[in-house]
Amino acid sequence: AQSVSQHNHHVILSEAASLELGCNYSYGGTVNLFWYVQYPGQHLQLLLKYFSGDPLVKGIKGFEAEFIKSKFSFNLRKPSVQWSDTAEYFCAVNVYNDMRFGAGTRLTVKP
Amino acid sequence: EAGVTQFPSHSVIEKGQTVTLRCDPISGHDNLYWYRRVMGKEIKFLLHFVKESKQDESGMPNNRFLAERTGGTYSTLKVQPAELEDSGVYFCASSTPKTSGANTGELFFGEGSRLTVL
Repeated sequence: AQSVSQHNHHVILSEAASLELGCNYSYGGTVNLFWYVQYPGQHLQLLLKYFSGDPLVKGIKGFEAEFIKSKFSFNLRKPSVQWSDTAEYFCAVNVYNDMRFGAGTRLTVKP
Repeated sequence: EAGVTQFPSHSVIEKGQTVTLRCDPISGHDNLYWYRRVMGKEIKFLLHFVKESKQDESGMPNNRFLAERTGGTYSTLKVQPAELEDSGVYFCASSTPKTSGANTGELFFGEGSRLTVL
């Protein structure tokens, strides 16, 4: 089965700082890629997804992610974070209905 | 449209007891998944149903865990007897079939059932 690696376990930023969370996966075929977010006290929800086409995808709340096939990566970015972005972020890979997650990255944004 | 619902939201039991978690997927979603997250660790895949059939149960930790999806609607996950290391949050998710034109590969998650084994 495919595996997903998220390199940062906990990231602490000040408001307005730029964010990049790394995600790499191991699977040689066609994949669907996702970033999910879990805000404190809430359930997992979709942030953005990639299936095909433009490798730069835009999601909700100003987030974007770039799929680089040659690097097996799907890093999440946001130019300027806000306190409300404090949450846990999960990268996920779906290969024909088989969805696997990374370990998650906890983001703390200081006001 | 109702989302994925899970019950109970939190269960506290003693080691050796039995707990049954329930998941109601979004209506019409053939795929149903169970995941578990032990505190601070990854969201680990447990198993995947397609309708009432177990497509993949490679993530089930041991035979103390039993998942069912009779009739292809809701699913239950029973832990018997529970051990301390079973504590965590159990997530259920559902999706439409991959072969369906409506499928985007996205999983829709419930709020999770937190299990605490004392």
